[in-house]
Amino acid sequence: GENVEQHPSTLSVQEGDSAVIKCTYSDSASNYFPWYKQELGKRPQLIIDIRSNVGEKKDQRIAVTLNKTAKHFSLHITETQPEDSAVYFCAAPTFMYSGGGADGLTFGKGTHLIIQP
Amino acid sequence: EAQVTQNPRYLITVTGKKLTVTCSQNMNHEYMSWYRQDPGLGLRQIYYSMNVEVTDKGDVPEGYKVSRKEKRNFPLILESPSPNQTSLYFCASLNVAGGVRDTQYFGPGTRLTVL
Repeated sequence: GENVEQHPSTLSVQEGDSAVIKCTYSDSASNYFPWYKQELGKRPQLIIDIRSNVGEKKDQRIAVTLNKTAKHFSLHITETQPEDSAVYFCAAPTFMYSGGGADGLTFGKGTHLIIQP
Repeated sequence: EAQVTQNPRYLITVTGKKLTVTCSQNMNHEYMSWYRQDPGLGLRQIYYSMNVEVTDKGDVPEGYKVSRKEKRNFPLILESPSPNQTSLYFCASLNVAGGVRDTQYFGPGTRLTVL
């Protein structure tokens, strides 16, 4: 099955600086990579995703890059703000059955992003 | 409004007392899943269901059961809860029709404490 590694587990940055969270995956068949943000006491919510036919995707201050050869993808947050403080999870599709379609997501262990004022 | 609902949101129970956490979605999604979230371990999948009457084990299925009799509902059953099942539980649903990945929607979570 898929194995997703996420680093770092905790990231503290000054407000206004950039933050980068990295993930690696193991299954070369994976073709969809979402990122979720979980604020304290709330459910994870999708903030951005990328499919394997592109190398980068941006949405305002958030961007995700994908390197399929190296099997890693990263979340970039620029001009960080206090409301960016949360736990971020990356994920990759899980392929339970050989030759079948993806049937779920495997999540990284999460990164606690702390924005220092 | 597209949503996934879970009940109860909070539950304190005792070892061995059977309980069910309900999950319902109104998006006509085929795929539903249960996760547990523990500090430092992220989101771990317990069970998932590709469609009605089709369920399968995730990474941590021991001590749990599920059923999928209707497309919209996917209850999680703990026949004999133990303290190591104290956790935050999330239900999620996802449209996988046509092989196109859609956003996975999470329920609000159920915080379970087993004494």
